[in-house]
Amino acid sequence: DAKTTQPNSMESNEEEPVHLPCNHSTISGTDYIHWYRQLPSQGPEYVIHGLTSNVNNRMASLAIAEDRKSSTLILHRATLRDAAVYYCILRDGGAGGGADGLTFGKGTHLIIQP
Amino acid sequence: DAGVIQSPRHEVTEMGQEVTLRCKPISGHNSLFWYRQTMMRGLELLIYFNNNVPIDDSGMPEDRFSAKMPNASFSTLKIQPSEPRDSAVYFCASSLLFQETQYFGPGTRLLVL
Repeated sequence: DAKTTQPNSMESNEEEPVHLPCNHSTISGTDYIHWYRQLPSQGPEYVIHGLTSNVNNRMASLAIAEDRKSSTLILHRATLRDAAVYYCILRDGGAGGGADGLTFGKGTHLIIQP
Repeated sequence: DAGVIQSPRHEVTEMGQEVTLRCKPISGHNSLFWYRQTMMRGLELLIYFNNNVPIDDSGMPEDRFSAKMPNASFSTLKIQPSEPRDSAVYFCASSLLFQETQYFGPGTRLLVL
């Protein structure tokens, strides 16, 4: 899997939007951008994924740069429950893609202040 | 849906003992993954199965580790003999084959004294 770069930590206030960046300058044309998060003392959970177009779901939005070398996970209104480590992961969507394991980096530790 | 079930949730054992971790994937899922998380190395993929067949075990640290999936609803990860450096949280995850989303269990926290 191609490498991603994320800030070690970010801090935000409750009920404000949060923008979590991820750089993936070596992304290939078939790589999907995935985001997982890990709440304290829990297993990782899927947040969102996309290929080229921006994506929205009930948890978050994913904004993908036109050249696909970076992306941003957007939490529209952060709550204390969103405090977690957020992982940006690239997965090959070509033949066999989606059938293999995830390669986690260090992620971004998101701190939410009340 | 019960989600991925792992047992035990906590395990404390002494060096040299055999440890068996268990995982029940989500019903209908046909891919199963074992991960390990430590402070030093983060989350690492150990092994994964598709349709009960081991596909890639290159992440298994050494021969002391073995994993089996005798049927679609059960998998084990065994460490024999265990060592203090095996202390970690072990996660099991499952998904539908070729589906993008993996669903993780709550993990087993292993402490080897």
